[in-house]
Amino acid sequence: QVQLVQSGAEVKKPGASVKVSCKVSGYTLTELSMHWVRQAPGKGLEWMGGFDPEDGETIYAQKFQGRVTMTEDTSTDTAYMELSSLRSEDTAVYYCARDGVAPGIYFDSWGQGTLVTVSS
Amino acid sequence: EIVLTQSPGTLSLSPGERATLSCRASQSVSSNYLAWYQQKGGQAPRLLIYGASSRATGIPDRFSGSGSGTDFTLTISRLEPEDFAVYYCQQYHHYDTSPLTFGGGTKVEIK
Repeated sequence: QVQLVQSGAEVKKPGASVKVSCKVSGYTLTELSMHWVRQAPGKGLEWMGGFDPEDGETIYAQKFQGRVTMTEDTSTDTAYMELSSLRSEDTAVYYCARDGVAPGIYFDSWGQGTLVTVSS
Repeated sequence: EIVLTQSPGTLSLSPGERATLSCRASQSVSSNYLAWYQQKGGQAPRLLIYGASSRATGIPDRFSGSGSGTDFTLTISRLEPEDFAVYYCQQYHHYDTSPLTFGGGTKVEIK
């Protein structure tokens, strides 16, 4: 049973960067394909990027390209998502999510979410 | 990118009733890579259906998914009190600028 535990809430000023972590247990990170999804207050889900098994590389939603970086530390089984040049519209709960084993990309396990607040 | 439009925005029903949720794609979803999630307030989403019609592990059989191409449906045969939540569809299309998108959600509320 995989468990994803994320880092705590963050408050950042506009223009700053934030780095959110997602610690994996029950599996090693090398066995998983990890993605990041965010949800602004009262809004729907928005995919940011993750590992695409068809390409064998990390892909990003066009909206975030150039501003987001997703990395992994396999020695600690921790995935990271860093978002730069923050603006107020980036205020959201950020989730890490695991791609399941079926063909396609679906998220069968989720972290608890990390609230990132961007405010001056 | 493929845009997913969910309807209705809100569905007001009573426990025991049947719920039918729609998800329409702006272009055909490849290999029926379409999933449905349930989200309750303050919680992470939960995967219900993948591959348009396969139930995820532990999901009760009152939840069913159907459809292909551009039109997909999530049906809850008899609503239980714990089923009142927001539901999202999601697609994956590898050869797209943004290969993965979510619908805007349907809220199922108690009438």
